[in-house]
Amino acid sequence: DQQVKQNSPSLSVQEGRISILNCDYTNSMFDYFLWYKKYPAEGPTFLISISSIKDKNEDGRFTVFLNKSAKHLSLHIVPSQPGDSAVYFCAASAMKYGGSQGNLIFGKGTKLSVKP
Amino acid sequence: GAGVSQSPSNKVTEKGKDVELRCDPISGHTALYWYRQSLGQGLEFLIYFQGNSAPDKSGLPSDRFSAERTGGSVSTLTIQRTQQEDSAVYLCASSPSNMNTEAFFGQGTRLTVV
Repeated sequence: DQQVKQNSPSLSVQEGRISILNCDYTNSMFDYFLWYKKYPAEGPTFLISISSIKDKNEDGRFTVFLNKSAKHLSLHIVPSQPGDSAVYFCAASAMKYGGSQGNLIFGKGTKLSVKP
Repeated sequence: GAGVSQSPSNKVTEKGKDVELRCDPISGHTALYWYRQSLGQGLEFLIYFQGNSAPDKSGLPSDRFSAERTGGSVSTLTIQRTQQEDSAVYLCASSPSNMNTEAFFGQGTRLTVV
């Protein structure tokens, strides 16, 4: 039973346009959400996060939106650049509960291709 | 270096042999995670250590898998009697605590069981 779902395995976007990557979760105890980017043969690198007390967090070209009632979050990249081409993973955690709830649960990832 | 270090970077082993994968977390990080990524798949949670708490082993796929973390720092993931389906990239991550902080990943160990 997947607690974090990324239903689109791939996404192709033209350079300069907006990329929107989606993520759904099922566990209502999740209160901290993160996006990671992964290039081939490298470990994932942290992009941006959001706490459940917020509905938006912005960092440069990257914005994460959280809709708690829908248990949905999305990552917007604008404008998209060819260097953004990578696999993007959504992750969630029940941080405030600590202990065994503190582990990060990842989705299966979405492969983004930004075409020049 | 200041990042998470994993060794070896690549490991080829024969089916049935035991392997040990090592993770050196960032100094001072209390939380440590192991994940694996099989070909074409997402990040599968294996085990999570947080300070002196009992580790969360709920992701270990079988009793052939075990992990320990000595002195709250270095961790070793051991796979006994390896099978071909164990072939994957094994990723380790650490974070300063379990409270609203991101985890930093190592480069991973690519394990191939032949």
